[in-house]
Amino acid sequence: DTGVSQNPRHKITKRGQNVTFRCDPISEHNRLYWYRQTLGQGPEFLTYFQNEAQLEKSRLLSDRFSAERPKGSFSTLEIQRTEQGDSAMYLCASTYGSGTQYFGPGTRLTVL
Amino acid sequence: GEDVEQSLFLSVREGDSSVINCTYTDSSSTYLYWYKQEPGAGLQLLTYIFSNMDMKQDQRLTVLLNKKDKHLSLRIADTQTGDSAIYFCAERNNNAGNMLTFGGGTRLMVKP
Repeated sequence: DTGVSQNPRHKITKRGQNVTFRCDPISEHNRLYWYRQTLGQGPEFLTYFQNEAQLEKSRLLSDRFSAERPKGSFSTLEIQRTEQGDSAMYLCASTYGSGTQYFGPGTRLTVL
Repeated sequence: GEDVEQSLFLSVREGDSSVINCTYTDSSSTYLYWYKQEPGAGLQLLTYIFSNMDMKQDQRLTVLLNKKDKHLSLRIADTQTGDSAIYFCAERNNNAGNMLTFGGGTRLMVKP
């Protein structure tokens, strides 16, 4: 298995545009997490899925953010009407049950 | 609420031991983790410790847990220049989602 993968690795966009990121978890991992990491900080939890169900969302996840995991495999994170404050590294992690979370390489978003 | 704190920076000479410290507040945490992050990359799991253990050793890495003081440390023996990175400790929340709460990270610089 190749681990958790994320695409794209880098995204530069203009303020007000919509962006979508994809995460492919380790196969057979039923839980998938999204975290956001701003410069100089540790990652902060955004949301998680168990299979296709989104079970918890952080208050950091404003209504401009939406995440899906339609078939319980890959997940997408969409940000609508991006703002400069959305510039960050978006990290995805997966696990089976309550096991150790393994992280992908992240998608770095820059909003101009 | 949960809060995890780490010192910002540590500088050591190649071949010396490094000790990175972390304090946490959630006494119900069952697992505590150490992750390593190199520039522009995702998080690499280094090691973890279960809360009923005091110590765990894994090759050059030694984790010490003082549950009474809610203090966690990571010792890296014979530190190499390749160990230069940011190190994050994280506690696993003891709720249904088991999401991780991270410290702000400690930047380790290893001088040749």
